[in-house]
Amino acid sequence: ETGVTQTPRHLVMGMTNKKSLKCEQHLGHNAMYWYKQSAKKPLELMFVYNFKEQTENNSVPSRFSPECPNSSHLFLHLHTLQPEDSALYLCASSQEFLAGDTQYFGPGTRLTVL
Amino acid sequence: QKEVEQDPGPLSVPEGAIVSLNCTYSNSAFQYFMWYRQYSRKGPELLMYTYSSGNKEDGRFTAQVDKSSKYISLFIRDSQPSDSATYLCAMSPYNFNKFYFGSGTKLNVKP
Repeated sequence: ETGVTQTPRHLVMGMTNKKSLKCEQHLGHNAMYWYKQSAKKPLELMFVYNFKEQTENNSVPSRFSPECPNSSHLFLHLHTLQPEDSALYLCASSQEFLAGDTQYFGPGTRLTVL
Repeated sequence: QKEVEQDPGPLSVPEGAIVSLNCTYSNSAFQYFMWYRQYSRKGPELLMYTYSSGNKEDGRFTAQVDKSSKYISLFIRDSQPSDSATYLCAMSPYNFNKFYFGSGTKLNVKP
């Protein structure tokens, strides 16, 4: 595997379910990001981890819970989601969390909340 | 006012046409400018990266930044059906690695 991988690619869940999204980067980067992409809206930054420490939480509801056990892996734990949370969830990584560092994206997880 | 404005399109052109995609922004602290291409059901992939003002060329693609007008452009020469995708502009200030994205322009190149 190369680059940034995400699993699952598609997920359908009910509002009472608990599920997790997984991201893995094979680039040797130290910063990882979760974004939400909704139709016709700009990408919304959700969380940033730099050297496994959370550095950004953009007022994301607590029903989204990130976890970064090491610099290569990032999880997004989901529980009691709402239908409006249906979107493409993108993981990205960069060398570090420094100005100008290019972010590389995974293919995304298409989430549908029923 | 949004930080970054981008016409959502869709933009439909015949094969071989020159395509011009644009974004405007309001924050004068933006120093790093990027264009990402996103195919349907895929994640964004970096296409062009420019620091500060000026032009950058890579094959059929040219990125331009005009900081005085707060305007960036991506030109695609000899467009191909394989260029059909959504193009996202992104920019970042000089002191912080937060990316501000446009909403994307959907391009369709017809054979």
